[in-house]
Amino acid sequence: AQTVTQSQPEMSVQEAETVTLSCTYDTSESDYYLFWYKQPPSRQMILVIRQEAYKQQNATENRFSVNFQKAAKSFSLKISDSQLGDAAMYFCAYQGAISSGSARQLTFGSGTQLTVLP
Amino acid sequence: DVKVTQSSRYLVKRTGEKVFLECVQDMDHENMFWYRQDPGLGLRLIYFSYDVKMKEKGDIPEGYSVSREKKERFSLILESASTNQTSMYLCASKPGDTPSNGYTFGSGTRLTVV
Repeated sequence: AQTVTQSQPEMSVQEAETVTLSCTYDTSESDYYLFWYKQPPSRQMILVIRQEAYKQQNATENRFSVNFQKAAKSFSLKISDSQLGDAAMYFCAYQGAISSGSARQLTFGSGTQLTVLP
Repeated sequence: DVKVTQSSRYLVKRTGEKVFLECVQDMDHENMFWYRQDPGLGLRLIYFSYDVKMKEKGDIPEGYSVSREKKERFSLILESASTNQTSMYLCASKPGDTPSNGYTFGSGTRLTVV
């Protein structure tokens, strides 16, 4: 079974600064997808960024980028130029490829609560 | 705007009651999911359904059952609510089997069992 670990329950960052959230995972599969989701106080889960394991290039979405280290099974999220609206719970998640038995469901980490200080 | 709607935002029930949590999606998605969210544990999959009347157990199915009689509706049932089922419950839906297809989540139901 796959597991996802987020070792930082809480993080804080000064507005306009950069912060990195850590995520490691364990899997025996070679093809899979990794995600970062954001959950603000409204509770609505929002997809931040997605990475396909077969792609070498790290995914980027505006101020959000990942550092994907497949051999180390590490998938960190970097938020640049942090804004007050970035304050939320961030979840790292894993999904297997179609050929695996875990293609449909997401496996989540325990989350990191990010505070942005003005 | 596509939506997953959970019928209640907050719910308080008594121990031993039968509880129904309802989820409706308007996107014609094949897959629907029920997750439970607890502090320090993240989201854990209770059950999911990949088609009408089909269901599969997730990681923590004990004490729960589900029903999917129509494609758009996925119900989570607590047969006899207990205090350890006090939690946030999130419903999600997803089209097809392709992993890259995005999930859409509801806004959650915070259930308190007293």
